[in-house]
Amino acid sequence: AIQMTQSPSSLSASVGDRVTITCRASQDIRSDLGWYQQKPGKAPKLLIYGASTLQSGVPSRFSGSGSGTDFSLTISSLQPEDFATYYCLQDYNFPRTFGQGTKVEIK
Amino acid sequence: ELQLVESGGGLVQPGGSLRISCAVSGFTLSDHYMAWVRQAPGKGLEWVGRSGNKASSYTTEYAASVKDRFTFSRDDSKNSFYLQMNSLNTEDTALYYCIREYGHAVGSGWHEVFDIWGQGTMVTVSS
Repeated sequence: AIQMTQSPSSLSASVGDRVTITCRASQDIRSDLGWYQQKPGKAPKLLIYGASTLQSGVPSRFSGSGSGTDFSLTISSLQPEDFATYYCLQDYNFPRTFGQGTKVEIK
Repeated sequence: ELQLVESGGGLVQPGGSLRISCAVSGFTLSDHYMAWVRQAPGKGLEWVGRSGNKASSYTTEYAASVKDRFTFSRDDSKNSFYLQMNSLNTEDTALYYCIREYGHAVGSGWHEVFDIWGQGTMVTVSS
């Protein structure tokens, strides 16, 4: 199974900060990667697919980049509602595998 | 409104069985791939598996951790998707999410995403 490694596992940031989360795959997965946001007590929500395509309705402050094995999710200006845990997920093959998550907390 | 509502979770003893359900509304179940993802308390997300749509003859994929113990089924006439769980152990304790998979074409690529999630149903395996 492909291993997805996210970093950092947690970070503290302030409203307005630029935040970047990275995800590394254990093998080449082309651009077959999505990013999901999960707030406490809620189901995850799709943010980005195909490594860089924004899901409809997701604010443009979110962006994704990368291909092959290295990917990143960037929030250009952190908003109060963005404090959550973020997961990457590869859809290159089965079994699908998630990163371990990155918790974004208020500084 | 596109919606998934899980039900049927609860407390079950180790070695026991449980079937959880996912009621679908707002779209035609037979047209879509469906998946289950679980989340143990305080932990990350774990993919359980997926069921193909009618056009794929409902092909299935399972995580190694549940293969041969868990089985997907669906009743398209009732717009319901099911997860039958057998030989449960304490490591299966988790919140189970029902998910619709949706395919997106991006350039020359095809991406299967989890675009609709239910609210989850909790399964606790304990004596």
